[in-house]
Amino acid sequence: EAGVAQSPRYKIIEKRQSVAFWCNPISGHATLYWYQQILGQGPKLLIQFQNNGVVDDSQLPKDRFSAERLKGVDSTLKIQPAKLEDSAVYLCASSLDGSRGRAPLHFGNGTRLTVT
Amino acid sequence: GNSVTQMEGPVTLSEEAFLTINCTYTATGYPSLFWYVQYPGEGLQLLLKATKADDKGSNKGFEATYRKETTSFHLEKGSVQVSDSAVYFCALRGGGYKLSFGAGTTVTVRA
Repeated sequence: EAGVAQSPRYKIIEKRQSVAFWCNPISGHATLYWYQQILGQGPKLLIQFQNNGVVDDSQLPKDRFSAERLKGVDSTLKIQPAKLEDSAVYLCASSLDGSRGRAPLHFGNGTRLTVT
Repeated sequence: GNSVTQMEGPVTLSEEAFLTINCTYTATGYPSLFWYVQYPGEGLQLLLKATKADDKGSNKGFEATYRKETTSFHLEKGSVQVSDSAVYFCALRGGGYKLSFGAGTTVTVRA
């Protein structure tokens, strides 16, 4: 089974620029997640989709971050404008069950963002 | 809400040593518990899981038992290898809540 695909692997931008990340979940997985992992910390959920609807975006800084999941498959996460503190690894994950399930999440390799 | 507390690192061991990483949790209901591993430069991989009390998850020589009475899910391996060097995350999910992670424990195994 193909895993969760993310691109790009690395991105370096200057502060105040914009950036976008792309994620393709495992085929058939209804729920998709974006996590932010700052160096030395555990991943923090930014947004959770079930199909193409948002289930939880309580931790998403909505003044600069946005995400969409068109047609309930691929997803993009955008930051505009970026700040230095946005430097982190952005992880996409998917799970087979719905938002109230207890199944494990499957993660992509992440996009490492450096904001200078 | 749900939360996970795991042993802080870093942990440095010699090859063939015994490894234990403590993990305790706070949760409503009956969550599923997980250990994820992150090797250098890679994403998170599911190492093992347990879905109910007294379940034992195991994989690649690692084991963890879901202890509801002590709200714990400690990770153990009897004889570590250099290839086990990674960051280990304890996590839980259940009751309609998102997957919540501990802060991670960095393990380095020396030859």
